[in-house]
Amino acid sequence: GESVGLHLPTLSVQEGDNSIINCAYSNSASDYFIWYKQESGKGPQFIIDIRSNMDKRQGQRVTVLLNKTVKHLSLQIAATQPGDSAVYFCAEARLIGNQFYFGTGTSLTVIP
Amino acid sequence: EPEVTQTPSHQVTQMGQEVILRCVPISNHLYFYWYRQILGQKVEFLVSFYNNEISEKSEIFDDQFSVERPDGSNFTLKIRSTKLEDSAMYFCASLFEASGNNEQFFGPGTRLTVL
Repeated sequence: GESVGLHLPTLSVQEGDNSIINCAYSNSASDYFIWYKQESGKGPQFIIDIRSNMDKRQGQRVTVLLNKTVKHLSLQIAATQPGDSAVYFCAEARLIGNQFYFGTGTSLTVIP
Repeated sequence: EPEVTQTPSHQVTQMGQEVILRCVPISNHLYFYWYRQILGQKVEFLVSFYNNEISEKSEIFDDQFSVERPDGSNFTLKIRSTKLEDSAMYFCASLFEASGNNEQFFGPGTRLTVL
């Protein structure tokens, strides 16, 4: 089956710095990728998505980069804030199949 | 703001018992999902549901699992005979349209504890 994984299980950054969270995926047929944020005791919360026909997409303080050549996805958070502390998951999907596969998660801790 | 709700927040059951986890998706959404998350592990896809039928399911979703949308409002996950390893957080999610806006909205989860 599909395999989605994260390079770093934990990441600590100083408040105000930029954060980069990485993710590798293995299924070249995946055409849709999503980043989710999960705070303790809550369900995943959609942050940003990107389709396979794009290599970059920007949101508010967040940017997702997709490198299909090496099957790599990253989430950049600008000016990280304490409220950004959470576990971040990437997920891959094939839109036609309507099935989503999550990575193992990276725990981001923002140091005030 | 519309949100996905789930009940109960915590379900404790004896091994071998049947449980039903309930979800109320956002009202105009068309696609519905169940996921589980074992403590400390990643979120795992179980099943997707569209147009009153299962559209995709994972290998986890065996014959012990079933889903239903009985009344156009609730979306339920039934586990017929629970096992210890079914203990996990179960998240429901809904999505308006898979080809356009693909943002899934997740509920707060039901913690299932099988003793």
